[in-house]
Amino acid sequence: AQSVAQPEDQVNVAEGNPLTVKCTYSVSGNPYLFWYVQYPNRGLQFLLKYITGDNLVKGSYGFEAEFNKSQTSFHLKKPSALVSDSALYFCAVRDLGYGGSQGNLIFGKGTKLSVKP
Amino acid sequence: DSGVTQTPKHLITATGQRVTLRCSPRSGDLSVYWYQQSLDQGLQFLIQYYNGEERAKGNILERFSAQQFPDLHSELNLSSLELGDSALYFCASSVLPPTYGYTFGSGTRLTVV
Repeated sequence: AQSVAQPEDQVNVAEGNPLTVKCTYSVSGNPYLFWYVQYPNRGLQFLLKYITGDNLVKGSYGFEAEFNKSQTSFHLKKPSALVSDSALYFCAVRDLGYGGSQGNLIFGKGTKLSVKP
Repeated sequence: DSGVTQTPKHLITATGQRVTLRCSPRSGDLSVYWYQQSLDQGLQFLIQYYNGEERAKGNILERFSAQQFPDLHSELNLSSLELGDSALYFCASSVLPPTYGYTFGSGTRLTVV
């Protein structure tokens, strides 16, 4: 079955330090991978996606993600964290299985990022 | 503004009541998805419609129903409400296949008292 996992419920980082939010996936075939961010009381906002090509994907707000096929991972990174980056981050993979949900996105449980001054 | 419009933004109602949440998808998107987000259960997929037809069903209770109209807007109906139905309800839209992901609305916060 297609799935995505975010192993950390919460990540704490000091402002100015690099941050990593982890995501691993399990799909049959080539994955389509996404990261979304959710600020308090807001909807999910698209950050970046990997479909094909360069393994390092750059997205909004200075975020980037590295696709690693051998480790089936798609970790979100930022070289220097800001307090304003504090939010809930969701990784998602496109379901490449069969049935009515084929093509739909499967979301991870989310990781709360807390950046302290 | 994401282009996906959800109304109302907030809703407070009593147990046993029925409410309707509305979603207008981004222009050009034929597929609409409904999600429930509560503190203890994360983001739960409820149901998907594509061009007026139900396409996929997730963890949607029998007390809940949805439909998508010819103008592509969608409504989520929640009936016999319980305290545990208090949550954020999100609508998202996309083209199919969703190669470029989903666009989410800002949600409706439902409080059942």
